[in-house]
Amino acid sequence: GPKVLQIPSHQIIDMGQMVTLNCDPVSNHLYFYWYKQILGQQMEFLVNFYNGKVMEKSKLFKDQFSVERPDGSYFTLKIQPTALEDSAVYFCASRKGGGNYAEQFFGPGTRLTVL
Amino acid sequence: AQSVTQPDARVTVSEGASLQLRCKYSYSATPYLFWYVQYPRQGLQLLLKYYSGDPVVQGVNSFEAEFSKSNSSFHLQKASVHWSDSAVYFCALSMSHSGYNKLTFGKGTVLLVSP
Repeated sequence: GPKVLQIPSHQIIDMGQMVTLNCDPVSNHLYFYWYKQILGQQMEFLVNFYNGKVMEKSKLFKDQFSVERPDGSYFTLKIQPTALEDSAVYFCASRKGGGNYAEQFFGPGTRLTVL
Repeated sequence: AQSVTQPDARVTVSEGASLQLRCKYSYSATPYLFWYVQYPRQGLQLLLKYYSGDPVVQGVNSFEAEFSKSNSSFHLQKASVHWSDSAVYFCALSMSHSGYNKLTFGKGTVLLVSP
């Protein structure tokens, strides 16, 4: 079936540095999401993105976070500067359309470790 | 606020035995409900979904789930498990009044199928 790719699979970074997580969504999808999962906790919604804009974001989406998808390329999550509490697995998802019943397709996640 | 609870962090069953993975939700209206499975080093894959109609919904690989409004539950079942069903299973909901389909997840249940 359709696959979402995430690059890299694991990123280790020093606190205060910038990091960009990359997501290659399914080619004809229009809605994009980031979720965050801290070890031992549930996956939590960060942000969704449609038509070049952030449509909804959670309290976890701090001012240091930003998302973009320039020219239909990767959908990226940038954190600048990083903090220790940003260590987590970040999952990207995409869907074609279809409202709240439509399937989101997920990538395998990027494990971010902030030292 | 909405929430999803998966009370069993880990379930072990013998191959060929029946399976039930439990999911309870909290939401004031009727939610959209989903079960996803995650195999090692892969993204989450949709098993089945429910919004209305017959409370028993069929999914892929002979999984089914039963919705109960009175119990606020959406338990996943399978009559006979195979070793390849070993994975992490996530229950999730999407709110009926939200246009952007963000998912609220449970913590997941690790299923181990022993030979």
